[in-house]
Amino acid sequence: QVQLQESGPGLVKPSETLSLMCSVSGFSISSGYYWGWIRQSPGKGLEWIGSVNHSGSTAYTPSLKSRVTVSVDTSKNQFSLKLTSVTAADTAVYYCARVFVVVPMGAYYMDVWGKGATVTVSS
Amino acid sequence: DIQLTQSPSSLSASVGDRVTITCRASQSISNYLNWYQQKPGKAPKVLIYAASSLQSGVPSRFSGSGSGTDFTLTISSLQPEDFATYYCQQSYSSPLTFGPGTKVDIK
Repeated sequence: QVQLQESGPGLVKPSETLSLMCSVSGFSISSGYYWGWIRQSPGKGLEWIGSVNHSGSTAYTPSLKSRVTVSVDTSKNQFSLKLTSVTAADTAVYYCARVFVVVPMGAYYMDVWGKGATVTVSS
Repeated sequence: DIQLTQSPSSLSASVGDRVTITCRASQSISNYLNWYQQKPGKAPKVLIYAASSLQSGVPSRFSGSGSGTDFTLTISSLQPEDFATYYCQQSYSSPLTFGPGTKVDIK
């Protein structure tokens, strides 16, 4: 079955870059779908960060767009998140997820999620 | 951004109860509305997509309805494993947004 697993540092210093990787097993990213990042913090609930598809096309939430990069590496069956200039407000659990597109209506929902990676921003 | 509100923010119910959670969008989103269940320390799990379609493997006691701005998630007979937090999420327009959640706990 399809499984996603987040990996990366659990502690990041303020002003530095948060980097997370999502490894996908049981499904080839090259086969399609969008792949996304969502975070959850006590103060802001669930927040969509952005997504990428197998060909590298991306979409980001406007409030983070200037600091976020989501990219895909089909050879490793992974996709990644980079968030620059982090502050304490970026402390959250970060989830990666597969984004299912309902055809033909074009609705999106996250049908497979990773377990989540807790990232704390602190010096 | 499209804002989603949920009511109530929390509720207490007993096993066997019928439970209804409401999600309201700040503008019409047709039926581009999904529902998720999240248990403590776990990732969200999709229950309903496109307002009323049951995700494969989800028990039939879960159902969704609504269109436009007002949506409902109903649990017909609450089971012990259903005590969790429920979130709605819209995909009508970018960015995707989530509601603040409704926590269902044991009365």
